[in-house]
Amino acid sequence: GESVGLHLPTLSVQEGDNSIINCAYSNSASDYFIWYKQESGKGPQFIIDIRSNMDKRQGQRVTVLLNKTVKHLSLQIAATQPGDSAVYFCAETPSGGYNKLIFGAGTRLAVHP
Amino acid sequence: KAGVTQTPRYLIKTRGQQVTLSCSPISGHRSVSWYQQTPGQGLQFLFEYFSETQRNKGNFPGRFSGRQFSNSRSEMNVSTLELGDSALYLCASSLARGGSPLHFGNGTRLTVT
Repeated sequence: GESVGLHLPTLSVQEGDNSIINCAYSNSASDYFIWYKQESGKGPQFIIDIRSNMDKRQGQRVTVLLNKTVKHLSLQIAATQPGDSAVYFCAETPSGGYNKLIFGAGTRLAVHP
Repeated sequence: KAGVTQTPRYLIKTRGQQVTLSCSPISGHRSVSWYQQTPGQGLQFLFEYFSETQRNKGNFPGRFSGRQFSNSRSEMNVSTLELGDSALYLCASSLARGGSPLHFGNGTRLTVT
């Protein structure tokens, strides 16, 4: 398949464990953040978003935490499943940047049975 | 609701040629953005169109251009292709300009030989 990134950091977890993927963003003026999941041969798939006036948001099995003080974003996946194996990207939008997303380098999540 | 559709899925061109890629956004989405994805540079913003006007542009040479039609469908064009233009080109659509998630297509894989 097509390789998204050849030398991405990899997080290996056991099926059923919780996963935490971290991201440091670059611009203190960014006001909107998104997490994406990308599987081999596919485009990025939207997981969850959060605005800068929040510090936590929950979805189905996923939680995003935002720490603006240290410009840090994390994605928590509960009860990780083999189908969660993919590359995960965080993206930020600087204030006034509209749909110009700045993506992080990505983290590969490998889920082992 | 159908997702973002990109055609063609794969393209092989030679240096010096030009190429046109097509994107049909999710019905009702008026913002269309284009991104380039390579293993070395990751995901990089090319440009954004809204209401047939380019609203934002990334740091790419003028060989990269695009347009949006009245039905929100978009095309991007790359002229005088270089080997370094080989990449996955992703189109994303969004309901609004900023503050709402971008939804990506599966991309066009361009190979320049």
